[in-house]
Amino acid sequence: GDSVTQMEGPVTLSEEAFLTINCTYTATGYPSLFWYVQYPGEGLQLLLKATKADDKGSNKGFEATYRKETTSFHLEKGSVQVSDSAVYFCALISGNTPLVFGKGTRLSVIA
Amino acid sequence: DVKVTQSSRYLVKRTGEKVFLECVQDMDHENMFWYRQDPGLGLRLIYFSYDVKMKEKGDIPEGYSVSREKKERFSLILESASTNQTSMYLCASSSSLGRARSYSNQPQHFGDGTRLSIL
Repeated sequence: GDSVTQMEGPVTLSEEAFLTINCTYTATGYPSLFWYVQYPGEGLQLLLKATKADDKGSNKGFEATYRKETTSFHLEKGSVQVSDSAVYFCALISGNTPLVFGKGTRLSVIA
Repeated sequence: DVKVTQSSRYLVKRTGEKVFLECVQDMDHENMFWYRQDPGLGLRLIYFSYDVKMKEKGDIPEGYSVSREKKERFSLILESASTNQTSMYLCASSSSLGRARSYSNQPQHFGDGTRLSIL
């Protein structure tokens, strides 16, 4: 079945450091890919999405490019802030099934 | 903005009780979902619904049931609560863009979650 694998955390970075959270997927057909973010004490929010190969999703300084050849959708940010501390989930929709989530990666940014 | 509202942020119940978790969305979405979130396991889909009175099992339906009598409301029921059902429960909704039983590529909108403790 469809699946998403993302790097295990926790990830701890200093403010202004470069962030990469790896995400790879297995899916039949042509999935749409998503990154969700969960801030402490809250539900999940959509961060960005890409619906076809080579699309780049971006929001709040975060970017991810849909790479069909490597089945990847890595999340990047050039300069993280303390307010980016959260849990990040990679997810996909493929065919006619609901979202499939990765297990999440906890990011802590220290000043 | 889409609003998904879960009735309680925190809930404490006893083993064997029947527990109801309520979720309401205000965007006329066809699809609604219930997940539980546990450390190290991520989000796991319990049940989902693509229309009123319709439901489908997710990955971990055992010990749970659901009810969708109105389009905007999706209830999760723990028939006889057990300690292993202590968890964070998240409700979500999404549009099917008018296509029946379609999850399309529309994002899901989540509520803030209910942290349920079973003692």
